[in-house]
Amino acid sequence: DIQMTQSPSTLSASVGDRVTITCRASQSISGWLAWYQQKPGKAPKLLIYKASSLEYGVPSRFSGSESGTEFTLTIASLQPDDFATYYCQPYNDYLGTFGQGTRVEI
Amino acid sequence: EVQLVESGGGSIQPGRSLRLSCTASGFIFDDYAMHWVRRAPGKGLEWVSGISWSGGIIQYTDSVKGRFTISRDNAKNSLFLQMSSLRPEDTALYYCAKDRVSVVEGSFDLWGQGTMVTVSS
Repeated sequence: DIQMTQSPSTLSASVGDRVTITCRASQSISGWLAWYQQKPGKAPKLLIYKASSLEYGVPSRFSGSESGTEFTLTIASLQPDDFATYYCQPYNDYLGTFGQGTRVEI
Repeated sequence: EVQLVESGGGSIQPGRSLRLSCTASGFIFDDYAMHWVRRAPGKGLEWVSGISWSGGIIQYTDSVKGRFTISRDNAKNSLFLQMSSLRPEDTALYYCAKDRVSVVEGSFDLWGQGTMVTVSS
């Protein structure tokens, strides 16, 4: 099974900050990685698929990138609505457990 | 309105069975694969099972193989999860989730609000 190591587990930031969250896969997943945002009491929301493709309707301040087995979610300028927990998830032939999550807090 | 609505959760004793349902609306249900994803209390998200648009391809995470059965009724825009031999570790909020594509790929662009399953004696 693919293991995803997501870091940091918690991130303190301010509005306007550039924020970076990282997920490292235990083996190659050929770019099959998605990023989700989840707020308390709400269902997760897809932000990024195939490592760097922005889901329709998601603000362009969100972006994803990959370098080998390391994947990065970047929020270019943190907005008040972005305080949430973020998860990475391998899929396609690598479907399984999500990353442990990163809580972005003030 | 585009939405998924789960039902069927509840409190149940170990070893018993439970059937979850998910009703879809606002999109062409049989164009997409569908999945169940769960979150145990205090833990992260875990993909449980997925089914292709036709039901011809089905996948499960290892911990539920042989105990859970996913199915769908495209005529009724409905997804199901039959859970048997339930264990305390199956306690979780179960989400119904829509795949972006028709095959079991596993990036989820629409989620329900979840239905809670509690397995305890």
